[in-house]
Amino acid sequence: DAGVTQSPTHLIKTRGQQVTLRCSPKSGHDTVSWYQQALGQGPQFIFQYYEEEERQRGNFPDRFSGHQFPNYSSELNVNALLLGDSALYLCASSLGAEQFFGPGTRLTVL
Amino acid sequence: TQLLEQSPQFLSIQEGENLTVYCNSSSVFSSLQWYRQEPGEGPVLLVTVVTGGEVKKLKRLTFQFGDARKDSSLHITAAQPGDTGLYLCAGDPDNDMRFGAGTRLTVKP
Repeated sequence: DAGVTQSPTHLIKTRGQQVTLRCSPKSGHDTVSWYQQALGQGPQFIFQYYEEEERQRGNFPDRFSGHQFPNYSSELNVNALLLGDSALYLCASSLGAEQFFGPGTRLTVL
Repeated sequence: TQLLEQSPQFLSIQEGENLTVYCNSSSVFSSLQWYRQEPGEGPVLLVTVVTGGEVKKLKRLTFQFGDARKDSSLHITAAQPGDTGLYLCAGDPDNDMRFGAGTRLTVKP
């Protein structure tokens, strides 16, 4: 049983560009959450998707958007990239209370 | 200001030593979770504490939830190099998971 997978592993973009990150949840999990983890910090909650709808959202601007597909996989889109968007982006899936995290996508904005 | 304050921020000890790391808040949590994160990986859940005053043991790791459910501690006995990692506490006060900044533990052989 594969755990949570994320792609790509690493990504380099320039300011102003747009990026799409992808997440496949653990088998049987219907809820996907996205987090941003800056260097030396704990993960910061971006939003959570359930039944293809954004259910909760953290304190992130509208440049951050997402989508969940019928197979429960999810995408995180970030528009108009800023240098401060450089971070590890983590996806977590859950069926109940326990979250399982993927390895993350390391985004570098130059 | 972080909702969950973790201390110390960094800890470097020798193999075999004992240590305690702390997670404190002014808010009350229905539960707190502890995770360990290794470089290049996502956090892995170690334990969830739910009841005030609860103590849970996971091999050499002992987790305690404060009586008022505002704080928690993690004690490691006879630390080993394999314990090296970032230890994160997390809680869900408003239906959005909040993490502390973590304690980065290094155990030297």
